[in-house]
Amino acid sequence: ETGVTQTPRHLVMGMTNKKSLKCEQHLGHNAMYWYKQSAKKPLELMFVYNFKEQTENNSVPSRFSPECPNSSHLFLHLHTLQPEDSALYLCASSQDTGRRKGYTFGSGTRLTVV
Amino acid sequence: AQSVAQPEDQVNVAEGNPLTVKCTYSVSGNPYLFWYVQYPNRGLQFLLKYITGDNLVKGSYGFEAEFNKSQTSFHLKKPSALVSDSALYFCAVSPNTGGFKTIFGAGTRLFVKA
Repeated sequence: ETGVTQTPRHLVMGMTNKKSLKCEQHLGHNAMYWYKQSAKKPLELMFVYNFKEQTENNSVPSRFSPECPNSSHLFLHLHTLQPEDSALYLCASSQDTGRRKGYTFGSGTRLTVV
Repeated sequence: AQSVAQPEDQVNVAEGNPLTVKCTYSVSGNPYLFWYVQYPNRGLQFLLKYITGDNLVKGSYGFEAEFNKSQTSFHLKKPSALVSDSALYFCAVSPNTGGFKTIFGAGTRLFVKA
């Protein structure tokens, strides 16, 4: 384990469902991130939180709604998703901007929208 | 626009031979440069970074990377490949302009044949 835990590991949901992804870190990091990984595409930054305040929203559709109740926990609430939203969703954390020591990633949630 | 390019979708190499995974970037200033590795069903793991100083940096598992400022490249290398090195490798660049954005490439799949 890397210190960043994501649940669930796999999720299949219909387009009308509502579900949530959870991410937890106890590394003492202050920044947390959601990335979307699709095959043969660059990782897409979705959201960034620093000390539980959102600092980046990379033009993500409103059907994805992040929540960061504290510096250790990050959620991604999903509703009325589309099949093209199927991907691996990665959570990461870092100390400050991550430039000195890089990011620590979780194992991801494999999301399939049917 | 700022970007990271990994020109090869896949690199094939025989075990024991040297390997190179290429990365070029288009980011202004003096960015921080990273390599990450992703094994199946896992998140990305930090391999090495370049901030300043010697153009050849050493990282985990015998990997090293060579920074070339004039070519804006940061190629990943290893003198002798192992079958266990087979994985997906991501180059990442963090602009030195503040903020929390790190830009990732699309990844290069390394396949080491026994």
